[in-house]
Amino acid sequence: DIQMTQSPSSLSASVGDRVTITCRASQPISNYLNWYQQKPGKAPNLLINGASSLQSGVPSRFSGGGSGTDFTLTISSLQPEDFATYFCQQIYRTPYTFGQGTKLEF
Amino acid sequence: QVQLQESGPGLVKPSGTLSLTCTVSGGSIGSYYWNYIRQPPGKGLEWIGYIYYSGTTNYNPSLKSRVTISLDTPKNQVSLKLSSLTAADTAVYFCARRGVGPTGFDYWGQGTLVTVS
Repeated sequence: DIQMTQSPSSLSASVGDRVTITCRASQPISNYLNWYQQKPGKAPNLLINGASSLQSGVPSRFSGGGSGTDFTLTISSLQPEDFATYFCQQIYRTPYTFGQGTKLEF
Repeated sequence: QVQLQESGPGLVKPSGTLSLTCTVSGGSIGSYYWNYIRQPPGKGLEWIGYIYYSGTTNYNPSLKSRVTISLDTPKNQVSLKLSSLTAADTAVYFCARRGVGPTGFDYWGQGTLVTVS
């Protein structure tokens, strides 16, 4: 299986901050990397497809980058509704696997 | 607007079989991969498997011997069966849609908690 490792596991930040979450794959996955946001009691919400393509309806303060094994999710200016848990996911090879999550807190 | 809705028992006995149905509304089954994912309380996400609209399936090897995913295209439903349950199978179960190529899971059901006890 392809292992996905996110860092950090948790992150304290404030409204207006710029934050970056990283995701590393245990082997190259081209751009087959997605990012999700999950709030308590809700299903994950797709933010970024194909490492860097913003999903329709997602605010432009979210951006993704990287290719191969190293990827980033950046939120340019945190808003109150962005405090949530973020997951990366590889869909390069089955079984599809997720990172362990990054909890973004005040 | 595409919507997915999971349904099924919330409590299942150990050694029993979990049966869930995901009903798709506002769109068709065609040309998509239909996935099941689960999340134990307070933990991360685990992909269970998918079925393509053509009927092709792909399962997580960690669950393969116990999982069946099937389609009922006329009813726009995707079903999951997971057998030989233990407490470790207690989780919120989600269904989700994915298109072709490097695309993510763009529509999800709200999830249903299944407790094995």
